Amino acid sequence: EIVMTQSPATLSVSPGESATLSCRAGQSVSSHLAWYQQKPGQAPRLLIYTASTRATGIPARFSGSGSGTEFTLTISSLQSEDFALYYCQQYSSWPRLFTFGPGTKVDVK
Amino acid sequence: EVQLVESGGGLVQPGGSLRLSCAASGFTFSSYLMSWVRQAPGKGLEWVANIKQDGGEKYYVDSVKGRFTISRDNTKNSLYLQMDSLRAEDTAVYYCARSYCGGECFLGWDYWGQGTLVTVSS
Repeated sequence: EIVMTQSPATLSVSPGESATLSCRAGQSVSSHLAWYQQKPGQAPRLLIYTASTRATGIPARFSGSGSGTEFTLTISSLQSEDFALYYCQQYSSWPRLFTFGPGTKVDVK
Repeated sequence: EVQLVESGGGLVQPGGSLRLSCAASGFTFSSYLMSWVRQAPGKGLEWVANIKQDGGEKYYVDSVKGRFTISRDNTKNSLYLQMDSLRAEDTAVYYCARSYCGGECFLGWDYWGQGTLVTVSS
C-alpha cells in the first residue's frame, strides 16, 4: 500500500494571501495524483488531476505541481469559499488500489 | 445534469448486513468506472471499492475484502454495495463516485453523491 502524508495538518491564512499545501507519497506515483476540496457536510470536489491539470470549472487560482513522491497544491489569493479541507489522492495502481492523504485544513487566520 | 443519489444507509447491529444503492442519471452510466468511497465521522476519506464498466473487474480495500461486494446494473443505471459482517469501524458516510474519464482510464472522481450514513452499533 502506498501511504500518503500531507502537511501541515492545519494552515491558517488571511483572505487574499496564498496557501501552499504539501503531499508526499511513500513511493513514486509518477503524476497519478489528484487533489480534492471538501467543505463541511458536502461531498468532495475534484480540483486537480495528473498532479497539475485543473478539472473542469476549477478557477485558475488553484494550481498543482510535482511528480514522483512530492506534490504541492497552491491556492493564490484565497477567497472566502476556499477555506476548507484539502485531500490528495494517488491512483498509480488504478483500478486495484487508491489511497488518500489525511488532509490539510485551511482556515482563516 | 449528472446526478448520483445514494440510498440504503441506516443503523445496523454488528455482524449485520446492509445494501447501499446509487441511482445515476445524466450520463452514459455503462461507460464509466464507478466507486464507493467512505468517510468515518470526523475522519478522512477512504476508497472502498471499484467496479469497471462491464462489471467484470472489481477491486476492494483490504479491510472490506470478503465482506463487501460491489455490483452494478447498467440497464438500471445503478451501483450497489452489499455489506455483510458489518463492524463498528465500518460506520461512515458512504459516497458513490464517478470516474472523471470514461473508458480505460482514471483521473479522479468528478461527480459524487450526497452520501448515505451507515451506523454499525448495538
